[in-house]
Amino acid sequence: GENVEQHPSTLSVQEGDSAVIKCTYSDSASNYFPWYKQELGKGPQLIIDIRSNVGEKKDQRIAVTLNKTAKHFSLHITETQPEDSAVYFCAASPNAGGTSYGKLTFGQGTILTVHP
Amino acid sequence: DAGITQSPRHKVTETGTPVTLRCHQTENHRYMYWYRQDPGHGLRLIHYSYGVKDTDKGEVSDGYSVSRSKTEDFLLTLESATSSQTSVYFCANSLQGNEAEAFFGQGTRLTVV
Repeated sequence: GENVEQHPSTLSVQEGDSAVIKCTYSDSASNYFPWYKQELGKGPQLIIDIRSNVGEKKDQRIAVTLNKTAKHFSLHITETQPEDSAVYFCAASPNAGGTSYGKLTFGQGTILTVHP
Repeated sequence: DAGITQSPRHKVTETGTPVTLRCHQTENHRYMYWYRQDPGHGLRLIHYSYGVKDTDKGEVSDGYSVSRSKTEDFLLTLESATSSQTSVYFCANSLQGNEAEAFFGQGTRLTVV
């Protein structure tokens, strides 16, 4: 089955700096890669996603890049703010046989702390 | 949050007792999921459903069963709770399944003593 590795496990930055979180996956059939943000005491919430036919996607201060050949994808947050502090999860969804039923394999998570 | 309500939000139970966690949605999304979250493991899929009475196993299904008799409810049962099942459990749903956003509930913190 799919295996997703996420690094780093913790990341501390100053407000205004950029933050980068990296993930690798093992199943070449995976074709959907979402990123979730989890605030304390809450469930994860989708912040951005990318599909395998796209190399990069941006949404304001966040961007995601995908390298299918190397099987890795990354989350980039620019001009970080204290409210970006949270746990971030990458995930991969395989589509072998035409459907994944929306099942996700998650990375281990990254605790991002943005210091004012 | 796609109208997901999990109950209870917190529960402490003894080893060997059965436990049922409930997930209720108001959006009538076809796909529903149960994940557990543990430090160092992220979220891992326990079971999922792709329609009423249609369920299948996920990555960590041993010791768990599920039922979905109505579109809006997805129940997770621990037949005989063990300490290794102490975790935070999240229910999620998705409208389309493939390549679609999953919406998560607030979670249930279960402690097995």
